[in-house]
Amino acid sequence: DAGVTQSPTHLIKTRGQQVTLRCSPKSGHDTVSWYQQALGQGPQFIFQYYEEEERQRGNFPDRFSGHQFPNYSSELNVNALLLGDSALYLCASSLDFGGGAQETQYFGPGTRLLVL
Amino acid sequence: QKEVEQDPGPLSVPEGAIVSLNCTYSNSAFQYFMWYRQYSRKGPELLMYTYSSGNKEDGRFTAQVDKSSKYISLFIRDSQPSDSATYLCAMKSGDNYGQNFVFGPGTRLSVLP
Repeated sequence: DAGVTQSPTHLIKTRGQQVTLRCSPKSGHDTVSWYQQALGQGPQFIFQYYEEEERQRGNFPDRFSGHQFPNYSSELNVNALLLGDSALYLCASSLDFGGGAQETQYFGPGTRLLVL
Repeated sequence: QKEVEQDPGPLSVPEGAIVSLNCTYSNSAFQYFMWYRQYSRKGPELLMYTYSSGNKEDGRFTAQVDKSSKYISLFIRDSQPSDSATYLCAMKSGDNYGQNFVFGPGTRLSVLP
């Protein structure tokens, strides 16, 4: 049973560029959440996708956008990269039991983004 | 005041010691509580998941939740060098659409052989 997978593992970009990160959820899961984890900090919630729509969003600017595909995989896009966007980006998947109730989340290994 | 607070450590203990890790929180709506272990440069790995107050045991790990004090703990018995990692507490409300999982900053643990 494959767990949550993410690609790429590492990425180096320069300020102003755009980046796309990808996530495949754990088998049987239908909900994908994205988190940003700065060095020495806990993960910060970016947004969550369910049924191909953004269901909830954390305190991140519109430069951060996402998408969920019919097979439940997801992408995180970040435009106009800033130095402060350098972080580990984590994808987590879960199963929605209906009405938004979920089991807990399982994380992928993350994509480490460095913005120069 | 941050929503979830956690002593960042680092915490160093000898092999075989009992480790106590703690988090406090301010949002009384939190009902689901989790502990994750994160090795360096890896994603968080779920260790324990509890609902509401009480204790839960799984092998060498015991999770405690005291909602009246807004305080949760993770105990590790017979600690091993392989337990050396950062431990993150996480929690969320019980609202159907309150799906934001809020994390503490993590406690870095070193178990010395």
